[in-house]
Amino acid sequence: AQSVTQLDSHVSVSEGTPVLLRCNYSSSYSPSLFWYVQHPNKGLQLLLKYTSAATLVKGINGFEAEFKKSETSFHLTKPSAHMSDAAEYFCVVSDRANDYKLSFGAGTTVTVRA
Amino acid sequence: NAGVTQTPKFQVLKTGQSMTLQCAQDMNHEYMSWYRQDPGMGLRLIHYSVGAGITDQGEVPNGYNVSRSTTEDFPLRLLSAAPSQTSVYFCASSYQGGVYEQYFGPGTRLTVT
Repeated sequence: AQSVTQLDSHVSVSEGTPVLLRCNYSSSYSPSLFWYVQHPNKGLQLLLKYTSAATLVKGINGFEAEFKKSETSFHLTKPSAHMSDAAEYFCVVSDRANDYKLSFGAGTTVTVRA
Repeated sequence: NAGVTQTPKFQVLKTGQSMTLQCAQDMNHEYMSWYRQDPGMGLRLIHYSVGAGITDQGEVPNGYNVSRSTTEDFPLRLLSAAPSQTSVYFCASSYQGGVYEQYFGPGTRLTVT
């Protein structure tokens, strides 16, 4: 069965410093992996996705993630945090064993200090 | 394009009442789904549909009913509301499931007293 573990429930960074959000996944087949962002009182928006092409995936707003099969990880990074990055981030997995339904991690809340 | 719209934005129900959460999309997407979001649990799939006339259960379907008579609309019915159904509900649509981007509505915040 597919599943996702987000290793940090809360991350606090200073503006201008790097951001690292950690995600490990479990999947029986070649998975598709996603990061979604949710700003306060809003719906979710896709940041980036991996679907078996390049292992380093670039997304919107300067975010990128690297798919590491040997480590079953899909960590999200950004070189320099901005105040507007304060939000909740969800790592999501999908594979054909689960009819391509999405499984969400519990989420990581990012706080950015001025 | 309006994208995915949900109504109402907020709702308070008493235990045992029924109601329908509305969801509509104008992107001609075949795949639509309903999720509930609870603190510390991410989003959990309630029901989904791969096209008009076809629906299936997700991870937490009990107490909810859906139908899909048109491509555009995918309403979620609460049959007899319970306090455990207090949550934020999101509707999403995509070209297909799986590898395609899901477009989410703004959510409905439901409280059951």
